[in-house]
Amino acid sequence: GDSVTQMEGPVTLSEEAFLTINCTYTATGYPSLFWYVQYPGEGLQLLLKATKADDKGSNKGFEATYRKETTSFHLEKGSVQVSDSAVYFCALETYGQNFVFGPGTRLSVLP
Amino acid sequence: KAGVTQTPRYLIKTRGQQVTLSCSPISGHRSVSWYQQTPGQGLQFLFEYFSETQRNKGNFPGRFSGRQFSNSRSEMNVSTLELGDSALYLCASSKTSDNTGELFFGEGSRLTVL
Repeated sequence: GDSVTQMEGPVTLSEEAFLTINCTYTATGYPSLFWYVQYPGEGLQLLLKATKADDKGSNKGFEATYRKETTSFHLEKGSVQVSDSAVYFCALETYGQNFVFGPGTRLSVLP
Repeated sequence: KAGVTQTPRYLIKTRGQQVTLSCSPISGHRSVSWYQQTPGQGLQFLFEYFSETQRNKGNFPGRFSGRQFSNSRSEMNVSTLELGDSALYLCASSKTSDNTGELFFGEGSRLTVL
């Protein structure tokens, strides 16, 4: 079945550091790819998405590019802030099927 | 526009009891999905409802059940609670039945089983 693999962390960075969270996927169809973020005590919220190969999703300084050749959707941000501390989930969705989420990566940003 | 609302936010039960959790989706959203989130297992899909019909079900025992009402509100029930059922239960809604798009999550119901 479809699956998502991502680095589990925790990842600890200093403010203004560069962030990469790796995500790779296995899917039988042509999935849409998502990054969701969960702040402490809250539900998940969509951070960005890409629906086809080579699309780049971006939001709040975060970006990720849908790489079909490497089945990857790595999340990057050039300069993280303390307020970015959260758990980040990579996910895929294939037409007619349910979302499949990765295990989540906890990010802590220190001032 | 109101978001997805889940009630109760927190609850404590003892083994053997049952619990019912409620989810009100965003207005106009007809699909509601439920997930169990635990530190060890991450997000696990429970079931999805669309227009009062269960369309998909995850790999959970029959103690876990759900339903959806004509106004799209959904409930899930867990009977004969076990310690391992302690988790954050998340509800998500979307506009379409085929999930081609974004899921909107509620803040969750945190269940503790003693």
